[in-house]
Amino acid sequence: DAMVIQNPRYQVTQFGKPVTLSCSQTLNHNVMYWYQQKSSQAPKLLFHYYDKDFNNEADTPDNFQSRRPNTSFCFLDIRSPGLGDAAMYLCATSHRDTYYEQYFGPGTRLTVT
Amino acid sequence: AQSVTQLDSQVPVFEEAPVELRCNYSSSVSVYLFWYVQYPNQGLQLLLKYLSGSTLVESINGFEAEFNKSQTSFHLRKPSVHISDTAEYFCAVAANAGKSTFGDGTTLTVKP
Repeated sequence: DAMVIQNPRYQVTQFGKPVTLSCSQTLNHNVMYWYQQKSSQAPKLLFHYYDKDFNNEADTPDNFQSRRPNTSFCFLDIRSPGLGDAAMYLCATSHRDTYYEQYFGPGTRLTVT
Repeated sequence: AQSVTQLDSQVPVFEEAPVELRCNYSSSVSVYLFWYVQYPNQGLQLLLKYLSGSTLVESINGFEAEFNKSQTSFHLRKPSVHISDTAEYFCAVAANAGKSTFGDGTTLTVKP
């Protein structure tokens, strides 16, 4: 089945130690998104790629970076994680013609110790 | 700009009872409307969507939602809930290319 895959599902990192979360998709969608979701809150869009075009949200901290080496893969890099970055990170995709319909991966829960 | 307000943060209900989860939105342009469901430690799954046409939309597992343009609402209903419906439900609107706005979620707890 076509799907969005996130690895790992659970990640523990130390305060200040760089961490990378990965997302892959078999849907061949043009658009890929990264969201941060804290407990009992709505998902917050960090950035999205439209093909190779990177779109950063204005309030996304510089500590968060992203890479999309090809259509299928997208990475979220947190350069110096703080305790406040502990959250669920969700990857989503959509097709350019139906951008409003997003397909979500299962998420990576990040713990910062 | 667009915004979404989910009027109830928590809705407890007994099994087989009806339920309504309320969602209001605001937008200066036409929007597409969605309900997503999120089970613990899982991603969001699309439950149902309104794009155009009939204002009443249904999901395969018995949920329905009605788009009311005059009241800018998109409430989610189910006539008889099951224990397995216990989850977090998010209402979302999409108007600008590449962006959706989510409500803060409603936790539905179905009790036996």
